[in-house]
Amino acid sequence: SAVISQKPSRDICQRGTSLTIQCQVDSQVTMMFWYRQQPGQSLTLIATANQGSEATYESGFVIDKFPISRPNLTFSTLTVSNMSPEDSSIYLCSVEFPEGRWNEQFFGPGTRLTVL
Amino acid sequence: AQKITQTQPGMFVQEKEAVTLDCTYDTSDQSYGLFWYKQPSSGEMIFLIYQGSYDEQNATEGRYSLNFQKARKSANLVISASQLGDSAMYFCAMSPISSGSARQLTFGSGTQLTVLP
Repeated sequence: SAVISQKPSRDICQRGTSLTIQCQVDSQVTMMFWYRQQPGQSLTLIATANQGSEATYESGFVIDKFPISRPNLTFSTLTVSNMSPEDSSIYLCSVEFPEGRWNEQFFGPGTRLTVL
Repeated sequence: AQKITQTQPGMFVQEKEAVTLDCTYDTSDQSYGLFWYKQPSSGEMIFLIYQGSYDEQNATEGRYSLNFQKARKSANLVISASQLGDSAMYFCAMSPISSGSARQLTFGSGTQLTVLP
């Protein structure tokens, strides 16, 4: 397994501001994924972050709103920009290991965001 | 495209009894993986069990077992000897398995399990 940490664990932010969420893994991974979980809902993939290239965004999510960085094989950040109350969610990162470790998909503890 | 369906929004089970949480899926991928996660009220996603589409044996992990019926496209989670700490939301998910492709997860809507004393 792997130890995945996220910062901050929770935050309360004002409308119109931005928040950057960090995801750190204790071992090198191939892909890092960012998910959003709105209140009472399931998880929805925001984007896939591959080291050394632009993140790949899912339908309904755009880079201007959710810029992502992946500077190395153990770290990624997700920024939630120009926040509105609709952005209040749990944001989770998960990691993918090299081929062969198909059964390992672990999540960070999540960042619980409330936008006022 | 992949789709996961969990038809039980809520389930109740008596402590020490077994419970089955249903999950059906749809995919055009030849190779795929099926996962179950537990999400307590704290919000963290706890990995429970994994089944590969190519696995002939049903997966087991302690009190958790996965009833995999490939022809029916179902991957039900069985929890034996339920405990009060099992009360949580449970998500079924799947990912493609192919060289060079990202293995992002597609999630079902979840089942809220409540274990009664």
